[in-house]
Amino acid sequence: GDSVTQMEGPVTLSEEAFLTINCTYTATGYPSLFWYVQYPGEGLQLLLKATKADDKGSNKGFEATYRKETTSFHLEKGSVQVSDSAVYFCALSDRDNFNKFYFGSGTKLNVKP
Amino acid sequence: EAQVTQNPRYLITVTGKKLTVTCSQNMNHEYMSWYRQDPGLGLRQIYYSMNVEVTDKGDVPEGYKVSRKEKRNFPLILESPSPNQTSLYFCASSLRGQGAQNEQFFGPGTRLTVL
Repeated sequence: GDSVTQMEGPVTLSEEAFLTINCTYTATGYPSLFWYVQYPGEGLQLLLKATKADDKGSNKGFEATYRKETTSFHLEKGSVQVSDSAVYFCALSDRDNFNKFYFGSGTKLNVKP
Repeated sequence: EAQVTQNPRYLITVTGKKLTVTCSQNMNHEYMSWYRQDPGLGLRQIYYSMNVEVTDKGDVPEGYKVSRKEKRNFPLILESPSPNQTSLYFCASSLRGQGAQNEQFFGPGTRLTVL
């Protein structure tokens, strides 16, 4: 079945450092891919998405490229801020059934001033 | 304000005592879904609904029921809760069309403890 694997955290970085959070997926067909962010005590918010191979999703300085050949959707940001501290979830929606949704286990990011 | 609301936010109960967690959205969304969040497992989909009276199982439906009698409401029912259902529960909704393909808006979560 479909699944998403993320790098384990926590990831601790200094402000202005470069961020990469790895995400790989297993799916039949061509799923849509998402990154969601969860701030402490809140629900999840969509950060970015990509719906087909080679698409790049971007938002708030974060980027991720849909790589079909490596089944990956790694999240990157060139310069993190303390306010980026949160838990980040990679997710996919099943292309055969758009209503089914699969999340990774989440990666906690701590950014120190 | 566009939002998804859940009640209660916190609940402690005992094994076997039926409970309902309510979810309501004011965005006229057709798609709604329930998830549970557990440490190391991320979020797992319990049930989803494509529209009124149309529901289907997600990845972990055992021990849960749902109903969708009105577009705005999607309650989660635990007929006989057990300790392994202790978790953080999220309701989400999104626009019609391709269900989860569209941006999902999440509620604030309900933390359930079953003793």
